[in-house]
Parts: sequence; structure tokens; C-alpha cells
Amino acid sequence: QSALTQPPSASGSPGQSVTISCTGTSSDVGSHNYVSWYQQYPGKAPKVMIYEVNKRPSGVPDRFSGSKSGNTASLTVSGLQAEDEADYYCSSYVGGGIEYVFGTGTKVTVL
Amino acid sequence: QVQLQESGPGLVKPSETLSLTCTVSGYYIGRAYFWGWVRQSPGKGLEWLASIHHSRGIDYNASLRSRLTISIDTSKNQFFLKLTSVTAADTAVYYCVRDDWVPDYWGQGTLVTVSS
Repeated sequence: QSALTQPPSASGSPGQSVTISCTGTSSDVGSHNYVSWYQQYPGKAPKVMIYEVNKRPSGVPDRFSGSKSGNTASLTVSGLQAEDEADYYCSSYVGGGIEYVFGTGTKVTVL
Repeated sequence: QVQLQESGPGLVKPSETLSLTCTVSGYYIGRAYFWGWVRQSPGKGLEWLASIHHSRGIDYNASLRSRLTISIDTSKNQFFLKLTSVTAADTAVYYCVRDDWVPDYWGQGTLVTVSS
């Protein structure tokens, strides 16, 4: 199973919005709504920001939103803040048993 | 609150076996969910390795299947990973996770370096 494709980097000024794409195939992103997004700071474990395409865990700001169209999922961060500067990874359930695959990761820079 | 904690040697010699333990608190692993392992090589992305359910079975990353063994001990609320015949390419931070189709809870991670 190949990794999902994300842009290596994205950036925006404080207050702006940034959208990160996550492109898979009809076997993963296109087949399931079990798509999650994770935020990772250097040296820290990933943290779930979005699950099941567009659901936010409690405590995650509503500036973070998710969507999906066909084989591509997207994460939008609105009203960028300095603390949003981090690496972001998507993940999609593949099927069968519990197999899942991660995206290649996107480094978000707040200018 | 579900918490996961990895433990194991931080240094493993090439060709030897990497063994890790994940201790779970705040949730009984024999109740539900798959429990898995994910690794991240230095400066690289995330890679799912294997997952196990106390009654529904095991799944492995196909590319590493021949070298991986995952097991579970519900009496100790722990699950385990073994990776045989390690090389420098297996140097990574290893995370244990709870799988709700994809990971929702993560351990803090443990760095395992493969070196002689």
C-alpha cells in the first residue's frame, strides 16, 4: 500500500487560511470516511486534529476543518496562528482487517 | 483518559531482534479496539507496522510481515512488538497506538537506534 500524497510544504500569514490536500486512491481515501489528520511538533507524538473526514475531537479549535472529495481529503486551517506551525499528516483506513496508510506529511509555516 | 507508554531497549545491534512493550492505562485492552505500532524514521514520515485485537486477530504491514510479530497480554494490559533481523533502516521512533480504524490515542514514542 503506497503512502498518500501530500504537498511537502504550505504557508500563510497570521490570520490567513491554508489548505492541505491528501490524495489517495479508490482503495483508501475514496472508499472510506475513516480519514484523520494529525498535527506533530518536533520531538512530539502526533495529535488527532480531525477524524472521520470532518469531525473534531474535543479541545481542537474550530479553526481546523476537514473535507473529502473523491480520492482527495483536505485539511483547512483558518485564522492561522503561530502555534499552528507544525507538520501535518493524513491517514486513511484501507480495509481488510485494520490496515491503514499515512500521508507523506506537510510542513506548515506561519510567515 | 487513555494513556499508552512504550518501553524497550534504545539500542539494538544489527541482525538482532527489536522488542518493545506498550503498557496501556485508563482502558482495558481486552474490551475493544485494535492496538498497534507505528514508526517514524528520523526526518521521515509515519509508517504503520502492525495491529492486534484480543479476539479479532492480527494485521501486518505487508512489506515487513516476514520480520514482525505482534502479541497481546490482556491480563497485564500490555501488547508487544518484535522485529527480527534489524538493520540501520529500522532506526526510528516507535509509537504504540490505539486504532479506531486509524490511530486515535498515541504513546509518547521511544527512539530505537540500530547500531553496533
